[in-house]
Amino acid sequence: SAVISQKPSRDICQRGTSLTIQCQVDSQVTMMFWYRQQPGQSLTLIATANQGSEATYESGFVIDKFPISRPNLTFSTLTVSNMSPEDSSIYLCSAKISNQPQHFGDGTRLSIL
Amino acid sequence: GIQVEQSPPDLILQEGANSTLRCNFSDSVNNLQWFHQNPWGQLINLFYIPSGTKQNGRLSATTVATERYSLLYISSSQTTDSGVYFCAVVSGGYNKLIFGAGTRLAVHP
Repeated sequence: SAVISQKPSRDICQRGTSLTIQCQVDSQVTMMFWYRQQPGQSLTLIATANQGSEATYESGFVIDKFPISRPNLTFSTLTVSNMSPEDSSIYLCSAKISNQPQHFGDGTRLSIL
Repeated sequence: GIQVEQSPPDLILQEGANSTLRCNFSDSVNNLQWFHQNPWGQLINLFYIPSGTKQNGRLSATTVATERYSLLYISSSQTTDSGVYFCAVVSGGYNKLIFGAGTRLAVHP
């Protein structure tokens, strides 16, 4: 199974700033995803990170707020832009190889003051 | 879209007790996974089980795809089993996981 590394593991940011989260997989994967988990809630898919093309966003999430890059088959970034306290969440990256289950990174715990 | 419902929402056990967690889904699925999120927020894969029964130590899972539900059994619970258990499904031609609301489990010594 794929090993997924995320960084930073946690951060405290000022409102109005932006933070970029990195996700590195130890093998080439077909698909990468970004999820958000608000405090006390379940996981919600933000977008599918497509290699070599624009990410596919879910309803309620827009590229201007959550720009995503995926320059190759092992790496992706998620930027949380112009942050407000409502963006305080855990952000998780996941990866999937063909018919194997999805695996998740340890997440980035983000607090906005 | 597909709906995923988990029950019970909260569960408190004494160490050594057994429990059953349920996941109902509203449409046919291509994939179903059970996860444990520990108190540190890490999401641990437990089972990949679109159908049938699997066992891993004290945990086992059964998915009855035709009746659209899955069960997670925890036997002889330990305090380290505490956390939130999520069921997540993939439906249709997409690979995105849709998560249930989770079952929050607390195991007391």
